[in-house]
Amino acid sequence: DAKTTQPTSMDCAEGRAANLPCNHSTISGNEYVYWYRQIHSQGPQYIIHGLKNNETNEMASLIITEDRKSSTLILPHATLRDTAVYYCIVKRGDYKLSFGAGTTVTVRA
Amino acid sequence: GAVVSQHPSWVICKSGTSVKIECRSLDFQATTMFWYRQFPKQSLMLMATSNEGSKATYEQGVEKDKFLINHASLTLSTLTVTSAHPEDSSFYICSARADNRNTEAFFGQGTRLTVV
Repeated sequence: DAKTTQPTSMDCAEGRAANLPCNHSTISGNEYVYWYRQIHSQGPQYIIHGLKNNETNEMASLIITEDRKSSTLILPHATLRDTAVYYCIVKRGDYKLSFGAGTTVTVRA
Repeated sequence: GAVVSQHPSWVICKSGTSVKIECRSLDFQATTMFWYRQFPKQSLMLMATSNEGSKATYEQGVEKDKFLINHASLTLSTLTVTSAHPEDSSFYICSARADNRNTEAFFGQGTRLTVV
């Protein structure tokens, strides 16, 4: 599976959009970009995934660059409950999920 | 999203005893289940992958005789930590996936194991 690079941490203001970057320059054509988050002492929560088109659901939007070497997860209106570690994972659909260090996002009032 | 339930949420056991953790998919049939372990301030580490009706596949460095995995049905997988020691104290998390195509995996709430 392709490796990903995420910032270690980031702060964002409550009510504002949070843009979380992820670099995956070695991604293969059949690998998807998945985003999960883990709130402290809980199991990870699925957020969104995509192949090459931008995706949106009730939680977030996923923007994938045309060359697919990077992506951005957008939380449109961050709340205090969005404070968590966010994981960007690139993998084939039938492969297991492997977690890196992720980005620790702190939403501040 | 689909619901995956783990039981118990936390357990304290004596050194040398065995502990069983259950993982259930409540509203879907899980052909594949995964078991992870997470130490404090670290990321999740995959321990093993289990498919219903077949033996689990363990990641390198994970002792299969110590961490027994059974995936007897499409809705239940169990992880038994045998002869637990204090160094086995960790947060154990399961996840389940409906099939092997491009579907997301859903996670249980985790089990905090403390071995004293």
